[in-house]
Amino acid sequence: SAVISQKPSRDICQRGTSLTIQCQVDSQVTMMFWYRQQPGQSLTLIATANQGSEATYESGFVIDKFPISRPNLTFSTLTVSNMSPEDSSIYLCSASDRVYEQYFGPGTRLTVT
Amino acid sequence: DAKTTQPPSMDCAEGRAANLPCNHSTISGNEYVYWYRQIHSQGPQYIIHGLKNNETNEMASLIITEDRKSSTLILPHATLRDTAVYYCIVRAEYGNKLVFGAGTILRVKS
Repeated sequence: SAVISQKPSRDICQRGTSLTIQCQVDSQVTMMFWYRQQPGQSLTLIATANQGSEATYESGFVIDKFPISRPNLTFSTLTVSNMSPEDSSIYLCSASDRVYEQYFGPGTRLTVT
Repeated sequence: DAKTTQPPSMDCAEGRAANLPCNHSTISGNEYVYWYRQIHSQGPQYIIHGLKNNETNEMASLIITEDRKSSTLILPHATLRDTAVYYCIVRAEYGNKLVFGAGTILRVKS
């Protein structure tokens, strides 16, 4: 199974600032995804991180607010831009390829004050 | 991807089998049934998946009805550590995004 790590594990940020979350996989994977989990809610897919090209965003999520990079097959970043208290959530990275099922990182708990 | 319907919560006694139902009446022929769980403060964990045959692994068994419109996840001997939110998801095999519903909160009690 793929092991996924995320940095930071948690952060408290001020309104109007940006935070970049890193996701590292211990093996090369075909696909990487970013999810958001608001307090007490289920997971919502933000986007698919595509290696070497722009991310594919789900309805309701835009690149200006959640820019994503994926420079190689093991690493991706998600930036939460111009944060507001409504962005307080857990952000999860996941990865899969043709062999593995989709595995999830431990999440980044973000609080915006 | 087809939608799924799960009960919001269930209780189970420790050591007993936990049977979690899922309805997916609009499932199409190439879609699989996947189960994940999320233990508090952790990322979701893959449990099992199947197409039309019953499946078993070290964690659980998956029973899919013949018409594939519903399924049941079975944890044969539930422990307190199995307390979690269990998600039933329908999607094509491999690589595609997962669409999470509300899931079932399973509480295993001693």
